[in-house]
Amino acid sequence: GQNIDQPTEMTATEGAIVQINCTYQTSGFNGLFWYQQHAGEAPTFLSYNVLDGLEEKGRFSSFLSRSKGYSYLLLKELQMKDSASYLCAVRDSNYQLIWGAGTKLIIKP
Amino acid sequence: DTAVSQTPKYLVTQMGNDKSIKCEQNLGHDTMYWYKQDSKKFLKIMFSYNNKELIINETVPNRFSPKSPDKAHLNLHINSLELGDSAVYFCASSQEGYSGGFSYNEQFFGPGTRLTVL
Repeated sequence: GQNIDQPTEMTATEGAIVQINCTYQTSGFNGLFWYQQHAGEAPTFLSYNVLDGLEEKGRFSSFLSRSKGYSYLLLKELQMKDSASYLCAVRDSNYQLIWGAGTKLIIKP
Repeated sequence: DTAVSQTPKYLVTQMGNDKSIKCEQNLGHDTMYWYKQDSKKFLKIMFSYNNKELIINETVPNRFSPKSPDKAHLNLHINSLELGDSAVYFCASSQEGYSGGFSYNEQFFGPGTRLTVL
């Protein structure tokens, strides 16, 4: 079967750094996505990784290791508005997105 | 300018009824999707559709059917609603993009429709 694993919930402090991990087992791999979803709102695209390594975009970075079936999303200089769920999704060999359940990130002052 | 819009935002109905949710995108995208997000927050793909192909998740009951009058619209019809259908339904659209020689499709989601079946 296909599986995406993420921690259910994480807590971090405003101004700090947090790393959200994602591991996956899918039939084929055609890229990994990170989306942000605020409570009661739609998911919005954050990043895409298809090659191994780190992709940096402002305060957010995403890392991929295909051999390990592993990715992480790194959030720096945390702000209260970063409180949200972060969804990891993998595109499989059929180009279908397989979604994780998301990690709820709680930011404390 | 709303990129992907859905109506209604909230839908409360009785078991056994038939209902529809409408979705429109003004992004000119080729592909549209319907997702179900249950209380555990899993996003599950129900359908993906472009003007060439409808891909149905085989786990979706045939009470659910997508209808696409044109490229910009993908409506969701649900017959004989059941309690377990209560969830948030998201419509999304995407266009193939390219990054570093690789193609990917960023999906743009609508605001969601919260369906409650009583």
